[in-house]
Amino acid sequence: AAGVIQSPRHLIKEKRETATLKCYPIPRHDTVYWYQQGPGQDPQFLISFYEKMQSDKGSIPDRFSAQQFSDYHSELNMSSLELGDSALYFCASSLEGGEVTEAFFGQGTRLTVV
Amino acid sequence: AQKVTQAQTEISVVEKEDVTLDCVYETRDTTYYLFWYKQPPSGELVFLIRRNSFDEQNEISGRYSWNFQKSTSSFNFTITASQVVDSAVYFCALSVVVYSGGGADGLTFGKGTHLIIQP
Repeated sequence: AAGVIQSPRHLIKEKRETATLKCYPIPRHDTVYWYQQGPGQDPQFLISFYEKMQSDKGSIPDRFSAQQFSDYHSELNMSSLELGDSALYFCASSLEGGEVTEAFFGQGTRLTVV
Repeated sequence: AQKVTQAQTEISVVEKEDVTLDCVYETRDTTYYLFWYKQPPSGELVFLIRRNSFDEQNEISGRYSWNFQKSTSSFNFTITASQVVDSAVYFCALSVVVYSGGGADGLTFGKGTHLIIQP
């Protein structure tokens, strides 16, 4: 069965650069979530989209933005990168917007800021 | 606001022992979902189970079982006859149901329990 696809899997950027992470949800899933997991930490919810509209906002820095496109894939744009942005970034998708059902996660993008 | 507490930071047992991972949650919402995820050293988050707040039936899946008790706000996870491959960080998570305008809140995770199964 198709899973959540994230690209790239690994990314190395310098401070103050920008990065774009992509997420392709499971087919027919209408909701996408982004999470950030620092080293040794639990995943922290950043933002979610339902039917291409922003649904909920968590602890997403103002330097980050995200959107969901007409084909339901989503992109997380990160600007003015800081060392503290180094983390594993997960995307998850689920069906039936308005109610969290199973939330399946992608394999994550490991971002290293140097 | 929601909160999930996994008091056990790390548990180490010998293979074939049974082990229970504790999870206590807080929410003012009456409708919510509870999840368990496994994160092996490779880093991916593997979905194990979802339980809604109206379903207090315990569940067993192979060597895994879950005990949901609303009275104590707990959703504990037991691995029977543990195996080395069970070694991972296990996260308990909570989400409330949002109906107005569609969309859903993200998951609130506990800090995770690092389970070490020694051969």
